[in-house]
Amino acid sequence: NAGVMQNPRHLVRRRGQEARLRCSPMKGHSHVYWYRQLPEEGLKFMVYLQKENIIDESGMPKERFSAEFPKEGPSILRIQQVVRGDSAAYFCASSPRLSADTEAFFGQGTRLTVV
Amino acid sequence: GIQVEQSPPDLILQEGANSTLRCNFSDSVNNLQWFHQNPWGQLINLFYIPSGTKQNGRLSATTVATERYSLLYISSSQTTDSGVYFCAVFLDQFYFGTGTSLTVIP
Repeated sequence: NAGVMQNPRHLVRRRGQEARLRCSPMKGHSHVYWYRQLPEEGLKFMVYLQKENIIDESGMPKERFSAEFPKEGPSILRIQQVVRGDSAAYFCASSPRLSADTEAFFGQGTRLTVV
Repeated sequence: GIQVEQSPPDLILQEGANSTLRCNFSDSVNNLQWFHQNPWGQLINLFYIPSGTKQNGRLSATTVATERYSLLYISSSQTTDSGVYFCAVFLDQFYFGTGTSLTVIP
């Protein structure tokens, strides 16, 4: 899982600012998943993307959150007008293809703190 | 979605002891993974084990897909094994259990 790179590792934002979280998948992986982990809780699915496509965003809050995975460059999770409740660890995972029988690898996460 | 339940929720072990963690899931799956989240928050892949048994050093895992459960065995536990162990099953996305928090004391 060392191949999935997330940055920054830690991010502090004031209420109302924007947060941009980046995820570079493992080489050869074209599928990216974003998960959120609130303190003392498990990981909750947010969004699943393939290059230039959002496949499933059923876990994304309806407002302020967006995600993209452009043809070139990392996947971006964007949170506008952050609030204290957005403070969490955000993980991304990548896999090589759309299939249930492939192993996914997670990045080290971005810990967002909203002050 | 799939329900994933892990037990026990918390576990305290003396260094050198063995333990078994359990993961039950509510639907048939073709993909199950075990992860260790260390005290620094990093998620480490332990096993990709949709069925059968695998071993890696002091850790081993068994998944009985037809009965919808998986077990993670930790033998001769060490303080570095402390952290939270998650199982996750994949259908249309990964569904995570709530984890087992393991503390190994010297």
